[in-house]
Amino acid sequence: AQTVTQSQPEMSVQEAETVTLSCTYDTSESNYYLFWYKQPPSRQMILVIRQEAYKQQNATENRFSVNFQKAAKSFSLKISDSQLGDTAMYFCAFMKSGGYQKVTFGTGTKLQVIP
Amino acid sequence: GAVVSQHPSRVICKSGTSVKIECRSLDFQATTMFWYRQFPKQSLMLMATSNEGSKATYEQGVEKDKFLINHASLTLSTLTVTSAHPEDSSFYICSASVLRTGSTEAFFGQGTRLTVV
Repeated sequence: AQTVTQSQPEMSVQEAETVTLSCTYDTSESNYYLFWYKQPPSRQMILVIRQEAYKQQNATENRFSVNFQKAAKSFSLKISDSQLGDTAMYFCAFMKSGGYQKVTFGTGTKLQVIP
Repeated sequence: GAVVSQHPSRVICKSGTSVKIECRSLDFQATTMFWYRQFPKQSLMLMATSNEGSKATYEQGVEKDKFLINHASLTLSTLTVTSAHPEDSSFYICSASVLRTGSTEAFFGQGTRLTVV
Protein backbone atom coordinates (compact mmCIF):
# COMPACT_ATOMS: atom_id res chain seq x y z
CA ALA A 1 0.00 0.00 0.00
CA GLN A 2 1.07 3.54 -0.64
CA THR A 3 1.30 6.27 1.97
CA VAL A 4 1.72 10.00 1.53
CA THR A 5 2.91 12.20 4.38
CA GLN A 6 2.72 15.96 4.68
CA SER A 7 4.39 17.11 7.88
CA GLN A 8 3.31 20.75 7.72
CA PRO A 9 -0.36 21.15 8.73
CA GLU A 10 -0.23 24.92 8.24
CA MET A 11 2.10 27.41 6.64
CA SER A 12 2.07 31.09 5.90
CA VAL A 13 3.98 33.25 3.46
CA GLN A 14 4.12 36.91 2.64
CA GLU A 15 2.72 37.96 -0.68
CA ALA A 16 5.38 37.88 -3.43
CA GLU A 17 7.63 35.64 -1.36
CA THR A 18 8.52 31.98 -1.98
CA VAL A 19 7.29 29.03 0.04
CA THR A 20 8.04 25.32 -0.08
CA LEU A 21 5.59 22.62 0.95
CA SER A 22 7.01 19.24 1.91
CA CYS A 23 5.80 15.79 1.00
CA THR A 24 7.22 12.32 1.40
CA TYR A 25 5.72 9.08 0.22
CA ASP A 26 6.28 5.39 0.49
CA THR A 27 5.70 2.83 -2.24
CA SER A 28 7.18 -0.30 -3.68
CA GLU A 29 6.04 0.67 -7.18
CA SER A 30 8.59 1.71 -9.76
CA ASN A 31 6.20 3.53 -12.09
CA TYR A 32 3.83 6.09 -10.68
CA TYR A 33 2.64 9.68 -10.76
CA LEU A 34 2.88 12.34 -8.11
CA PHE A 35 0.61 15.35 -7.91
CA TRP A 36 0.00 18.49 -5.98
CA TYR A 37 -3.65 19.50 -5.77
CA LYS A 38 -5.02 22.79 -4.53
CA GLN A 39 -8.35 22.87 -2.71
CA PRO A 40 -9.68 26.41 -2.24
CA PRO A 41 -12.68 27.17 -0.01
CA SER A 42 -14.98 26.06 -2.83
CA ARG A 43 -13.47 22.59 -2.23
CA GLN A 44 -13.01 21.91 -5.94
CA MET A 45 -9.82 19.89 -6.40
CA ILE A 46 -7.52 21.73 -8.78
CA LEU A 47 -4.43 20.10 -10.24
CA VAL A 48 -1.41 22.30 -9.64
CA ILE A 49 1.38 20.16 -11.00
CA ARG A 50 2.19 16.55 -11.84
CA GLN A 51 5.36 14.50 -12.04
CA GLU A 52 5.93 11.18 -13.74
CA ALA A 53 8.29 9.08 -11.65
CA TYR A 54 10.30 7.92 -14.64
CA LYS A 55 11.19 11.50 -15.52
CA GLN A 56 14.26 12.84 -13.76
CA GLN A 57 13.54 16.43 -14.69
CA ASN A 58 11.52 18.32 -12.14
CA ALA A 59 8.14 19.54 -13.37
CA THR A 60 7.39 23.25 -13.53
CA GLU A 61 4.16 25.15 -14.17
CA ASN A 62 4.63 28.90 -14.19
CA ARG A 63 5.18 29.90 -10.53
CA PHE A 64 4.96 26.31 -9.32
CA SER A 65 7.82 23.84 -9.38
CA VAL A 66 8.66 20.60 -7.65
CA ASN A 67 11.78 19.04 -6.21
CA PHE A 68 11.39 15.36 -6.93
CA GLN A 69 13.89 13.11 -5.19
CA LYS A 70 12.95 9.58 -6.17
CA ALA A 71 15.52 7.77 -4.06
CA ALA A 72 14.52 9.74 -0.99
CA LYS A 73 10.81 9.48 -1.93
CA SER A 74 10.42 13.18 -1.51
CA PHE A 75 8.24 15.52 -3.56
CA SER A 76 8.17 19.13 -2.42
CA LEU A 77 6.28 22.00 -4.01
CA LYS A 78 7.79 25.45 -4.39
CA ILE A 79 5.51 28.40 -4.98
CA SER A 80 7.29 31.51 -6.19
CA ASP A 81 5.93 35.04 -6.10
CA SER A 82 3.07 33.94 -3.85
CA GLN A 83 -0.29 35.53 -4.56
CA LEU A 84 -3.35 35.96 -2.39
CA GLY A 85 -5.19 33.54 -4.63
CA ASP A 86 -2.75 30.82 -3.64
CA THR A 87 -4.37 30.65 -0.20
CA ALA A 88 -5.83 27.15 0.00
CA MET A 89 -5.31 23.62 1.20
CA TYR A 90 -2.63 21.80 -0.74
CA PHE A 91 -2.62 18.03 -1.03
CA CYS A 92 0.25 15.90 -2.18
CA ALA A 93 -0.99 12.81 -3.95
CA PHE A 94 0.18 9.52 -5.42
CA MET A 95 -1.18 7.37 -8.20
CA LYS A 96 0.17 4.13 -9.60
CA SER A 97 0.65 4.04 -13.32
CA GLY A 98 -1.14 1.58 -15.56
CA GLY A 99 -4.87 1.62 -16.14
CA TYR A 100 -7.41 3.43 -14.02
CA GLN A 101 -5.95 3.91 -10.58
CA LYS A 102 -7.11 5.53 -7.37
CA VAL A 103 -5.36 8.58 -5.95
CA THR A 104 -3.87 8.43 -2.45
CA PHE A 105 -3.73 11.79 -0.71
CA GLY A 106 -1.59 13.24 2.03
CA THR A 107 -3.14 14.98 5.01
CA GLY A 108 -2.81 18.40 3.46
CA THR A 109 -1.09 21.69 4.21
CA LYS A 110 -3.13 24.81 4.76
CA LEU A 111 -1.32 27.69 3.12
CA GLN A 112 -2.13 31.27 4.01
CA VAL A 113 -0.72 34.07 1.87
CA ILE A 114 -0.45 37.25 3.89
CA PRO A 115 -0.85 40.60 2.15
CA GLY B 1 -9.22 19.06 -20.06
CA ALA B 2 -11.72 16.38 -19.22
CA VAL B 3 -14.75 17.35 -17.15
CA VAL B 4 -16.38 15.46 -14.31
CA SER B 5 -19.69 16.86 -13.12
CA GLN B 6 -21.18 16.02 -9.75
CA HIS B 7 -24.72 16.75 -8.63
CA PRO B 8 -26.08 18.02 -6.32
CA SER B 9 -23.46 20.33 -4.85
CA ARG B 10 -25.34 20.58 -1.56
CA VAL B 11 -28.07 18.48 -0.03
CA ILE B 12 -29.81 18.44 3.32
CA CYS B 13 -31.83 15.42 4.27
CA LYS B 14 -33.60 14.05 7.30
CA SER B 15 -32.28 11.14 9.31
CA GLY B 16 -33.48 7.85 7.94
CA THR B 17 -33.93 9.00 4.36
CA SER B 18 -31.76 8.16 1.36
CA VAL B 19 -29.80 10.53 -0.81
CA LYS B 20 -28.45 9.94 -4.31
CA ILE B 21 -25.37 11.70 -5.64
CA GLU B 22 -24.55 11.61 -9.35
CA CYS B 23 -21.14 11.74 -10.98
CA ARG B 24 -20.92 12.20 -14.73
CA SER B 25 -18.02 12.25 -17.13
CA LEU B 26 -19.06 14.86 -19.66
CA ASP B 27 -16.61 14.46 -22.48
CA PHE B 28 -15.08 11.05 -22.03
CA GLN B 29 -16.04 7.53 -21.11
CA ALA B 30 -15.14 6.36 -17.66
CA THR B 31 -15.21 2.63 -17.05
CA THR B 32 -13.88 3.28 -13.57
CA MET B 33 -14.80 6.05 -11.17
CA PHE B 34 -13.81 6.62 -7.58
CA TRP B 35 -15.76 7.94 -4.61
CA TYR B 36 -14.00 9.80 -1.82
CA ARG B 37 -15.16 11.21 1.45
CA GLN B 38 -13.69 14.24 3.14
CA PHE B 39 -14.40 15.24 6.73
CA PRO B 40 -13.83 18.88 7.75
CA LYS B 41 -10.17 19.84 7.77
CA GLN B 42 -9.14 16.35 6.76
CA SER B 43 -7.90 14.65 3.65
CA LEU B 44 -9.81 12.73 1.01
CA MET B 45 -10.31 9.09 1.86
CA LEU B 46 -11.22 6.57 -0.80
CA MET B 47 -14.55 4.90 -0.13
CA ALA B 48 -15.00 2.73 -3.17
CA THR B 49 -14.10 2.06 -6.75
CA SER B 50 -17.03 2.09 -9.15
CA ASN B 51 -16.78 -0.21 -12.14
CA GLU B 52 -19.09 0.06 -15.13
CA GLY B 53 -21.25 -3.00 -15.47
CA SER B 54 -20.01 -4.73 -12.35
CA LYS B 55 -20.05 -4.47 -8.58
CA ALA B 56 -18.18 -1.72 -6.84
CA THR B 57 -15.11 -2.46 -4.76
CA TYR B 58 -15.31 -1.01 -1.27
CA GLU B 59 -12.45 0.00 0.98
CA GLN B 60 -12.10 -1.65 4.34
CA GLY B 61 -14.51 -0.23 6.88
CA VAL B 62 -16.96 1.19 4.33
CA GLU B 63 -20.43 -0.35 4.58
CA LYS B 64 -21.48 -1.44 1.13
CA ASP B 65 -25.13 -1.73 2.13
CA LYS B 66 -25.13 1.83 3.36
CA PHE B 67 -23.26 3.39 0.48
CA LEU B 68 -24.78 1.91 -2.64
CA ILE B 69 -22.86 2.48 -5.84
CA ASN B 70 -24.27 1.98 -9.30
CA HIS B 71 -22.25 2.45 -12.48
CA ALA B 72 -24.76 1.57 -15.15
CA SER B 73 -23.23 3.48 -18.04
CA LEU B 74 -19.83 4.63 -19.22
CA THR B 75 -20.56 8.20 -18.19
CA LEU B 76 -22.53 7.92 -14.95
CA SER B 77 -21.86 6.58 -11.49
CA THR B 78 -24.20 7.16 -8.57
CA LEU B 79 -23.64 6.96 -4.84
CA THR B 80 -26.71 6.46 -2.68
CA VAL B 81 -26.43 7.03 1.04
CA THR B 82 -29.17 4.88 2.52
CA SER B 83 -30.86 5.45 5.85
CA ALA B 84 -28.72 8.49 6.41
CA HIS B 85 -27.60 9.47 9.90
CA PRO B 86 -25.99 12.69 11.13
CA GLU B 87 -22.59 10.98 11.20
CA ASP B 88 -22.89 10.53 7.43
CA SER B 89 -22.71 14.29 7.06
CA SER B 90 -19.59 14.94 5.04
CA PHE B 91 -18.20 16.12 1.73
CA TYR B 92 -18.30 13.48 -1.00
CA ILE B 93 -16.17 13.76 -4.14
CA CYS B 94 -16.04 11.57 -7.21
CA SER B 95 -13.23 11.26 -9.70
CA ALA B 96 -12.42 9.55 -12.95
CA SER B 97 -9.12 8.96 -14.67
CA VAL B 98 -8.36 9.63 -18.29
CA LEU B 99 -5.74 7.64 -20.11
CA ARG B 100 -3.82 9.71 -22.58
CA THR B 101 -0.80 8.88 -24.66
CA GLY B 102 1.93 8.18 -22.17
CA SER B 103 0.12 9.46 -19.12
CA THR B 104 -2.88 9.25 -16.85
CA GLU B 105 -4.67 12.11 -15.16
CA ALA B 106 -7.41 12.15 -12.55
CA PHE B 107 -10.29 14.62 -12.74
CA PHE B 108 -12.56 15.46 -9.84
CA GLY B 109 -16.16 16.48 -9.55
CA GLN B 110 -17.14 19.62 -7.68
CA GLY B 111 -18.11 17.63 -4.63
CA THR B 112 -21.36 17.24 -2.68
CA ARG B 113 -21.82 18.57 0.81
CA LEU B 114 -24.27 16.28 2.59
CA THR B 115 -25.91 17.42 5.80
CA VAL B 116 -28.13 14.98 7.65
CA VAL B 117 -30.45 16.57 10.21
